[in-house]
Amino acid sequence: AQSVTQLGSHVSVSEGALVLLRCNYSSSVPPYLFWYVQYPNQGLQLLLKYTSAATLVKGINGFEAEFKKSETSFHLTKPSAHMSDAAEYFCAVSSRSGNTGKLIFGQGTTLQVKP
Amino acid sequence: EPEVTQTPSHQVTQMGQEVILRCVPISNHLYFYWYRQILGQKVEFLVSFYNNEISEKSEIFDDQFSVERPDGSNFTLKIRSTKLEDSAMYFCASGDRVQNQPQHFGDGTRLSIL
Repeated sequence: AQSVTQLGSHVSVSEGALVLLRCNYSSSVPPYLFWYVQYPNQGLQLLLKYTSAATLVKGINGFEAEFKKSETSFHLTKPSAHMSDAAEYFCAVSSRSGNTGKLIFGQGTTLQVKP
Repeated sequence: EPEVTQTPSHQVTQMGQEVILRCVPISNHLYFYWYRQILGQKVEFLVSFYNNEISEKSEIFDDQFSVERPDGSNFTLKIRSTKLEDSAMYFCASGDRVQNQPQHFGDGTRLSIL
C-alpha cells in the first residue's frame, strides 16, 4: 500500500523567503512522486514529478524537489517566495509497476505568502 | 496549451436523483480518471479508464457510480442515486501514452446534493 503525509496543513512565509513544503511517502514498491498546485476555484496543475531519473527535480515556477529514498521524503522548495505562489499544494505518489495511473494524494498544504 | 474541460462547473441536485458529470479530455490522451475532493479533505482517486474499460476503481466507486466514453471525446461520470455524502468537487484528468499518471486535470465540477 502507498500513502503520503504532508507535514503542516498551513505554511506562512514572507515574500522573498524560502519556501519549504514537506512530504513523506510510504511505498512498498519504487514510487513515482508528484507535486501539484491548486489555485482557488481551479483544478490541479502539475508542478513537477520524480520518475527515477535525477533525484533533484526541477519544475515550473521556480520550484524543485529532491527525492531522498533513505528519508522517504520528497520535499518541495523554492528559494524566494512570490505572492502568486499562494495556493494549495498536494504531494502524490503512484506505483511504477502495474500502474493504472492511480495517484494517492496527501492532505495538502496551504501556502500563505505575506508581503 | 491543451486542457481538460469539465461541465457543468456547479451542479445542484436533489438527493436520490441521478447526475452526470461531463469531461472532455485532451484529444490524444489515452488514460482517463475521476477524482473527488470533499470540502476540506484530500483528493481521492475514484476510477481509472483505459482502452474503453475500467482499469482500476477505489472502494468509493460502488455500484452507484459508472463511467463511460460514449463518443470518443467525452468521458462521463454518472451517479445513479445521489446521497448527501456525494457532495464534493469532482475532477476529471487525462494522461498520455508516455506516462499514464494524470498530467492534466480539469477545473472540476462542484456537486451539491440537497
